Amino acid sequence: KAGVTQTPRYLIKTRGQQVTLSCSPISGHRSVSWYQQTPGQGLQFLFEYFSETQRNKGNFPGRFSGRQFSNSRSEMNVSTLELGDSALYLCASSWNQNPNTEAFFGQGTRLTVV
Amino acid sequence: AQSVTQLGSHVSVSEGALVLLRCNYSSSVPPYLFWYVQYPNQGLQLLLKYTSAATLVKGINGFEAEFKKSETSFHLTKPSAHMSDAAEYFCAVSVAGSARQLTFGSGTQLTVLP
Repeated sequence: KAGVTQTPRYLIKTRGQQVTLSCSPISGHRSVSWYQQTPGQGLQFLFEYFSETQRNKGNFPGRFSGRQFSNSRSEMNVSTLELGDSALYLCASSWNQNPNTEAFFGQGTRLTVV
Repeated sequence: AQSVTQLGSHVSVSEGALVLLRCNYSSSVPPYLFWYVQYPNQGLQLLLKYTSAATLVKGINGFEAEFKKSETSFHLTKPSAHMSDAAEYFCAVSVAGSARQLTFGSGTQLTVLP
């Protein structure tokens, strides 16, 4: 069974540009969550999607957005990139929305903003 | 809101020695607790989880953790460290009503000395 796949693995963007990251969850999983990991702030929750609807959102500016498709694949978009957006972005999938269900993480997309 | 505190950002042990990584949580409702491990340039892998069943939880790779409500703790232990255990470890909490949002501690980098 394939794991959570995130593409691309590495990305370099210029300040002011926008970027789209992709996440394919484990087959059958309907919940997809996104996290930002930085050395200074650690792991922070961005948002969670279930059945194409955003169910929960962390404390991030509106420049960060996402969506989920009918096949449960998800994308997140960051507009008007800032240097501080440089981070490892992790996607996690679960088969349901129960908070006690294991979340399976992808390897992440390393975004560098220059 | 819930939170997690991991005492000790860096822990060093000798190979074969006991591993003890500390995690304390704060939650106004019964929590679900998780320990994840992260190897360099990788995503997070679940070691074990507490979901209100047995208070002593056994996980993969010989790790276990004990939920102590009176101490609001969920410390991770392993009787004998192996070189391959060197990684960063994260404690996380979720609660009912928060959907799939995990709140992570700041992480503990484990070094295993030969």
